[in-house]
Amino acid sequence: EPEVTQTPSHQVTQMGQEVILRCVPISNHLYFYWYRQILGQKVEFLVSFYNNEISEKSEIFDDQFSVERPDGSNFTLKIRSTKLEDSAMYFCASSGSRTVWGLNQPQHFGDGTRLSIL
Amino acid sequence: GIQVEQSPPDLILQEGANSTLRCNFSDSVNNLQWFHQNPWGQLINLFYIPSGTKQNGRLSATTVATERYSLLYISSSQTTDSGVYFCAVEKETSGSRLTFGEGTQLTVNP
Repeated sequence: EPEVTQTPSHQVTQMGQEVILRCVPISNHLYFYWYRQILGQKVEFLVSFYNNEISEKSEIFDDQFSVERPDGSNFTLKIRSTKLEDSAMYFCASSGSRTVWGLNQPQHFGDGTRLSIL
Repeated sequence: GIQVEQSPPDLILQEGANSTLRCNFSDSVNNLQWFHQNPWGQLINLFYIPSGTKQNGRLSATTVATERYSLLYISSSQTTDSGVYFCAVEKETSGSRLTFGEGTQLTVNP
């Protein structure tokens, strides 16, 4: 079964540094997402991306964050100047277009990148 | 935004016991998914179930969309079932956010 892959699995960065998290969504999917989970808390939505532009973003997704689909396969999340509170697990997800019956497709999640800010 | 409430927040079982986890949501949805987060932090997709009933081995799920709730049943629980179970809903059409509940922390003791 095709899957979403994320690299690296763990990233340790000094506060103030830039970090790029990488994702390869499932190849025929059209919608891409980033979520984060602070340790011990629930999973929170950051941003969704469709047709090469952001379609929705949460209040967490401020000017320090950006997303890009640099080629036909990768989807990246950049944090420009990391803060201690950016330490979290970051999940990438992707989904296909609606079914012929008009139903949403499920979102498929990668294994996550654990980001630790020192 | 849409609210998602899961109950119970914590559940401790002996191996072999059955359990029911509940997810209530505050508005109509186009997607509902159940996930199991294992000790390594991976989110394992259990069910995509915006309505109806599905079964997969010892697990089954039912969503009653008109009454805005979903149930996850775990039968003959095993220690490997331990972890956090999340319900997540998508209100709008494709490409919109999944809103997660707070989760149910399940511990299965041998």
